[in-house]
Amino acid sequence: NAGVTQTPKFQVLKTGQSMTLQCAQDMNHNSMYWYRQDPGMGLRLIYYSASEGTTDKGEVPNGYNVSRLNKREFSLRLESAAPSQTSVYFCASREGLYTEAFFGQGTRLTVV
Amino acid sequence: KQEVTQIPAALSVPEGENLVLNCSFTDSAIYNLQWFRQDPGKGLTSLLLIQSSQREQTSGRLNASLDKSSGRSTLYIAASQPGDSATYLCAVISSNTGKLIFGQGTTLQVKP
Repeated sequence: NAGVTQTPKFQVLKTGQSMTLQCAQDMNHNSMYWYRQDPGMGLRLIYYSASEGTTDKGEVPNGYNVSRLNKREFSLRLESAAPSQTSVYFCASREGLYTEAFFGQGTRLTVV
Repeated sequence: KQEVTQIPAALSVPEGENLVLNCSFTDSAIYNLQWFRQDPGKGLTSLLLIQSSQREQTSGRLNASLDKSSGRSTLYIAASQPGDSATYLCAVISSNTGKLIFGQGTTLQVKP
């Protein structure tokens, strides 16, 4: 069972470069989430998608964009990377509001 | 705005001890509360999910309780083992926004 798959696992970017973090789930879940995790800050919600075709901002959306490509895939784009976006990024999914959330293994991003 | 707090931030106990981790949240309008485990450099693994209508959930040596009216949850770990060493996170899904909001976690060390 693949669950939630994130690619890439590691990435180094130069300031100003752009990239897209990919997330795919094979559990037919409706809701998907993007978080960043920083030391001392915990997990902070960047964007989420309650269902296919909808996206909403979380706590820290600035500098990011998302696309819910279809029910399986939810991508996170950094248009112009900044050192402050150095972090570990996690994608999560859940079937609905009353069900368990499942997480991917994370993408470790460094912006130099 | 929903805020989730976990105390203590870190805990060290000898093997075999029973222990309690605490989680509090400011807004009682939640669908459910979920406890996760995170090993260093890894993703989050779901431990227990408690629906807002439930008082507790058990899985093996783990027991989680929920008191929605007071905004508190506890995770009880019986007969702790060195393999339980990890960071434990709680998260609530807000019934006002549908967002999954995390506490900052408790890092547990169980000494042999």
